[in-house]
Amino acid sequence: GENVGLHLPTLSVQEGDNSIINCAYSNSASDYFIWYKQESGKGPQFIIDIRSNMDKRQGQRVTVLLNKTVKHLSLQIAATQPGDSAVYFCAENHSGGDDKIIFGKGTRLHILP
Amino acid sequence: ETGVTQTPRHLVMGMTNKKSLKCEQHLGHNAMYWYKQSAKKPLELMFVYNFKEQTENNSVPSRFSPECPNSSHLFLHLHTLQPEDSALYLCASSQVTYNEQFFGPGTRLTVL
Repeated sequence: GENVGLHLPTLSVQEGDNSIINCAYSNSASDYFIWYKQESGKGPQFIIDIRSNMDKRQGQRVTVLLNKTVKHLSLQIAATQPGDSAVYFCAENHSGGDDKIIFGKGTRLHILP
Repeated sequence: ETGVTQTPRHLVMGMTNKKSLKCEQHLGHNAMYWYKQSAKKPLELMFVYNFKEQTENNSVPSRFSPECPNSSHLFLHLHTLQPEDSALYLCASSQVTYNEQFFGPGTRLTVL
């Protein structure tokens, strides 16, 4: 998961612009990656996933990019809306190994009006 | 609203109390999970059940005791907790282990 400090990184984006949230994962053997969104007072919500045999996957207004060479994952949100304000975190899983899941700490996305 | 419910939503307990958290999923999933979410820390996986069998115990202290009577219900029994156990406890379920997980709203636990 993400190697972050004690505070949550924050990304501030103008409404209507595109957002890019990054994640550095730790295990080069991880083969399944997921992005979750957590709004205040709620549990995390699945956004999109990608397997290691792909480098890009698109959903509705979201795109996940995977760069296995540098162990980097990104989430792109198109035309950011106020409802996108939340904490976003990535998770990695090595399904063929010890099959654990590791979550990153998260990035807070703040939408500017 | 997700198909995973948790009760209670808030719980305050003393260090000598015994309490239980309940989770129920209405999605027909086979795997269920307990997570701990603390400020300044990533989401921590505590326990995993697949087809009612515990498949993961992530070095969790014995003062946390899970129970999975069937594939729809999951409990977390708490006793002699410490103040550092105060956190948001999240339950989740998925059809396949670790794939797309559906989370409940969590129980906000405060240990005095």
